[in-house]
Amino acid sequence: SQQGEEDPQALSIQEGENATMNCSYKTSINNLQWYRQNSGRGLVHLILIRSNEREKHSGRLRVTLDTSKKSSSLLITASRAADTASYFCATAFTGGGNKLTFGTGTQLKVEL
Amino acid sequence: DAGVIQSPRHEVTEMGQEVTLRCKPISGHNSLFWYRQTMMRGLELLIYFNNNVPIDDSGMPEDRFSAKMPNASFSTLKIQPSEPRDSAVYFCASSPHRDPISGANVLTFGAGSRLTVL
Repeated sequence: SQQGEEDPQALSIQEGENATMNCSYKTSINNLQWYRQNSGRGLVHLILIRSNEREKHSGRLRVTLDTSKKSSSLLITASRAADTASYFCATAFTGGGNKLTFGTGTQLKVEL
Repeated sequence: DAGVIQSPRHEVTEMGQEVTLRCKPISGHNSLFWYRQTMMRGLELLIYFNNNVPIDDSGMPEDRFSAKMPNASFSTLKIQPSEPRDSAVYFCASSPHRDPISGANVLTFGAGSRLTVL
């Protein structure tokens, strides 16, 4: 399967702490995206990183991409209870057209 | 913009019945995707359309599943006959033109249709 795999599957932290989630994939990609899904809702796009980029920031989010290791990480700094959600990486594989394949997700719980 | 609109939000039906899920993409978006989400298999891409034309339906599980996009503002996913293993949340997502540099499609998802087949 070309599906990405997130690690850890579940993460529980205290408000104010940083949360790091990792994503590994199997084949060459054009770009990688991260999405968030709140319980009972659709996915929401967070950030996109192109294959020729190594790091990208958006507010409290920092994404890194290591194409040699076929992995990406999402860091959420100074987490808040509202960050509680599932986080998915999504990859567009080289030659895959418009296909966006989602990973297995990390369930993040931020406790007060 | 109201976003991607899906209906129904919830559907409970009995095995063997026909199920039709509907999606209205964001106006101006030219790609539309149908995904299915279950605990066991996560998010699976079923089919996607570009400019109303089906491009890749390799994720459609069986002939019982069919999808259409008769115009730019409407798509349906039909299951006939439905089976209990079809129980899942079905998401529709749309995307504007691909990023010219990375080729990326950034998807906007609907709220999903939760299907329960008894």
